[in-house]
Amino acid sequence: KNQVEQSPQSLIILEGKNCTLQCNYTVSPFSNLRWYKQDTGRGPVSLTIMTFSENTKSNGRYTATLDADTKQSSLHITASQLSDSASYICVVSLAAGNKLTFGGGTRVLVKP
Amino acid sequence: SQTIHQWPATLVQPVGSPLSLECTVEGTSNPNLYWYRQAAGRGLQLLFYSVGIGQISSEVPQNLSASRPQDRQFILSSKKLLLSDSGFYLCAWSPGRALNTEAFFGQGTRLTVV
Repeated sequence: KNQVEQSPQSLIILEGKNCTLQCNYTVSPFSNLRWYKQDTGRGPVSLTIMTFSENTKSNGRYTATLDADTKQSSLHITASQLSDSASYICVVSLAAGNKLTFGGGTRVLVKP
Repeated sequence: SQTIHQWPATLVQPVGSPLSLECTVEGTSNPNLYWYRQAAGRGLQLLFYSVGIGQISSEVPQNLSASRPQDRQFILSSKKLLLSDSGFYLCAWSPGRALNTEAFFGQGTRLTVV
């Protein structure tokens, strides 16, 4: 069964600190992995997208890594800001078509 | 540029009433279209996806149905709502027949069945 597992479920960090979110997947055959940011009550917005041949990709203070051999990805947030408070969702796409499998998300709360 | 419109933003409906949520995409042709549901505190669950007019694939058995009467229009419906249909519904699109592209989401509809 194709699954995407994220950890931790929730995270509280102080403003200015760094944090790392984890994503493990069993989706096969794998096409690409994406990280989305979802503010409460809004639609998800893409942060990064990586194919199996890419190991790392950055978008401002967000850096995603991918290890296709171990089927693990991480999202690192540097120097967190209050606006980083949101849910972060790992999404994996099957090679056949563009069907997406979503992780349950990690809810991040940045406190001043 | 491409945009996706989803409405209404919020909806409160009584049990047993019908439902119709509409989603339209502008600025692209032949998109893949998706309907997702997100229960409170849970991840996104794919309900339906469509690769073309009249072509609907259902991911989970449920009380809902979807239709695609036009290339860039995707409708989520129910004849009789259940309490368990409450949730946050998201429409999304991705470029058709193109891999390694991202999906773009609408702003969502929060449905409360009372």
